[in-house]
Amino acid sequence: AQTVTQSQPEMSVQEAETVTLSCTYDTSESDYYLFWYKQPPSRQMILVIRQEAYKQQNATENRFSVNFQKAAKSFSLKISDSQLGDAAMYFCAYRAQGGSEKLVFGKGTKLTVNP
Amino acid sequence: DTGVSQDPRHKITKRGQNVTFRCDPISEHNRLYWYRQTLGQGPEFLTYFQNEAQLEKSRLLSDRFSAERPKGSFSTLEIQRTEQGDSAMYLCASSFNSMNTEAFFGQGTRLTVV
Repeated sequence: AQTVTQSQPEMSVQEAETVTLSCTYDTSESDYYLFWYKQPPSRQMILVIRQEAYKQQNATENRFSVNFQKAAKSFSLKISDSQLGDAAMYFCAYRAQGGSEKLVFGKGTKLTVNP
Repeated sequence: DTGVSQDPRHKITKRGQNVTFRCDPISEHNRLYWYRQTLGQGPEFLTYFQNEAQLEKSRLLSDRFSAERPKGSFSTLEIQRTEQGDSAMYLCASSFNSMNTEAFFGQGTRLTVV
């Protein structure tokens, strides 16, 4: 079974600084997708960024970028120029290709942004 | 379309009572998922529908849990004889039936069993 591990229960960053959230996963599949989701307090989970395993290029979405290391099964999220609105729980998630395509989540990292 | 809608947002029930939650997915999304999220944990998969067919159930879904999606539109999740361990956030998500799509989540129903 696939597993996702987020080893940082909490992280903090100063406004305008950069922070990196870690994620590792375990799978025997070669084709899959990886995601970072953001869950603000009392609000719905939204997609931050996604990465297809077959793509070597790391995904980037504005201030958010990933460092995808397929051989190491590592998928970290870098948030640049952190903003107060970035404060939230961040979940790393894995999705196999085919079948139900259900998401397997890590336990999450709570990000605090200090003004 | 305002996204995935879940009702109620909060539910407090006494142990042993039955509860039912509703999820309205984004229209035209034929995939619908239920997840459970307990405090300090990430969401865990419960069950999956493609249109009206329930195609996968997690072993977390005990026989006290039942989910339906009549006519492939909204879905309901019923928990019978609730236990304190059922207290959690129940999340619904929907997506298109395509590899290259993302799942959109509702705000969840927070269940508290007292």
